Amino acid sequence: QQPVQSPQAVILREGEDAVINCSSSKALYSVHWYRQKHGEAPVFLMILLKGGEQKGHEKISASFNEKKQQSSLYLTASQLSYSGTYFCGTVLLRGNQFYFGTGTSLTVIP
Amino acid sequence: EADIYQTPRYLVIGTGKKITLECSQTMGHDKMYWYQQDPGMELHLIHYSYGVNSTEKGDLSSESTVSRIRTEHFPLTLESARPSHTSQYLCASSEWGGGSPYEQYFGPGTRLTVT
Repeated sequence: QQPVQSPQAVILREGEDAVINCSSSKALYSVHWYRQKHGEAPVFLMILLKGGEQKGHEKISASFNEKKQQSSLYLTASQLSYSGTYFCGTVLLRGNQFYFGTGTSLTVIP
Repeated sequence: EADIYQTPRYLVIGTGKKITLECSQTMGHDKMYWYQQDPGMELHLIHYSYGVNSTEKGDLSSESTVSRIRTEHFPLTLESARPSHTSQYLCASSEWGGGSPYEQYFGPGTRLTVT
């Protein structure tokens, strides 16, 4: 029931864009996105509820396709500060357990 | 501002010792969590609580126990520490509504080393 993220790792140059995907094998009620910098605790970015909504947070936005049980995180014009590990988290439509995804390591280089 | 505290931040202890990792939050959140995370790896849920006197085991099999006697306090205890328990332990809390958790606020973590 743990969601799977892709890619596992990505390296970008400053200013480039990236997409991180999160896929679940079960129907979802909501998707959360977190970023964890090296040596720190995860920090919440945004939550998307079923209904296919899209949200934005500065130059980071996300979409949720409930039919495909997938969410994508879009990082636009990446900055050095975007480096870290990104985790999605999912709440199933049936049941209320929360599962963190497998994680995606993102490194932005000058 | 979200306030969730963990003590100690770092702990080195010998095999067989009993240890308690403390976690407190001042936000009045009903739901609290304990995660185990090795460096650069996934977050594994080991325990969670919906409120006072409610505790549940997570997906990762753990030899630890938890208690929730007060809303703000969610300690985790290892009765007999082993080298396999060496890891980082993260505590989190969230509000709860409509059958779903809201955003989780994390403490700074406790890095445990068992020798």
